[in-house]
Amino acid sequence: KAGVTQTPRYLIKTRGQQVTLSCSPISGHRSVSWYQQTPGQGLQFLFEYFSETQRNKGNFPGRFSGRQFSNSRSEMNVSTLELGDSALYLCASSSNTSGPLRGTDTQYFGPGTRLTVL
Amino acid sequence: QQPVQSPQAVILREGEDAVINCSSSKALYSVHWYRQKHGEAPVFLMILLKGGEQKGHDKISASFNEKKQQSSLYLTASQLSYSGTYFCGTERFGYGQNFVFGPGTRLSVLP
Repeated sequence: KAGVTQTPRYLIKTRGQQVTLSCSPISGHRSVSWYQQTPGQGLQFLFEYFSETQRNKGNFPGRFSGRQFSNSRSEMNVSTLELGDSALYLCASSSNTSGPLRGTDTQYFGPGTRLTVL
Repeated sequence: QQPVQSPQAVILREGEDAVINCSSSKALYSVHWYRQKHGEAPVFLMILLKGGEQKGHDKISASFNEKKQQSSLYLTASQLSYSGTYFCGTERFGYGQNFVFGPGTRLSVLP
């Protein structure tokens, strides 16, 4: 099976702009989670989608939003970009179907999108 | 609430052993371990679910002490391919909705 794919791999934006990142999960996986990775904060959970519904959300401002399509592909949007949004954005898919992502669920990460905000 | 990992970084020679620790101030339900090589996605290593549970794969193993709220990752006879940053991800009791990842331990294995 193909792994998790993310596009684009690199993005450069300026403050105030908005950006949309895309993630295609492993075939058959319906759970998609998004993470922000920065050198100072490490991996931080943004949100998780399952069957087009957001199941969980981390502690990020409303500028960060996402959605999931019927084919399980997911997009993440960041509006009004700030310098601090520069990070590697990772998505991960899971075969979990029984409820919110649990400790028993393995997540498979994509290669990430490197976002630089100037 | 982020788990604490120690050490922050470690440098080894090929064939040496290493231990990476992950601890939390809150009761844990599970611990995940991932390895991330520079410029690549984190790769799942193992999940530990029960207190006292130990798991292993090849020469990488881990333990989970529920009472101490900590997990340790053991790398035995390290290989060059073990180099990377190791993250633990923790799930707390009653908070089974997302994970909190540690800051990572950078492991460098030298020939």
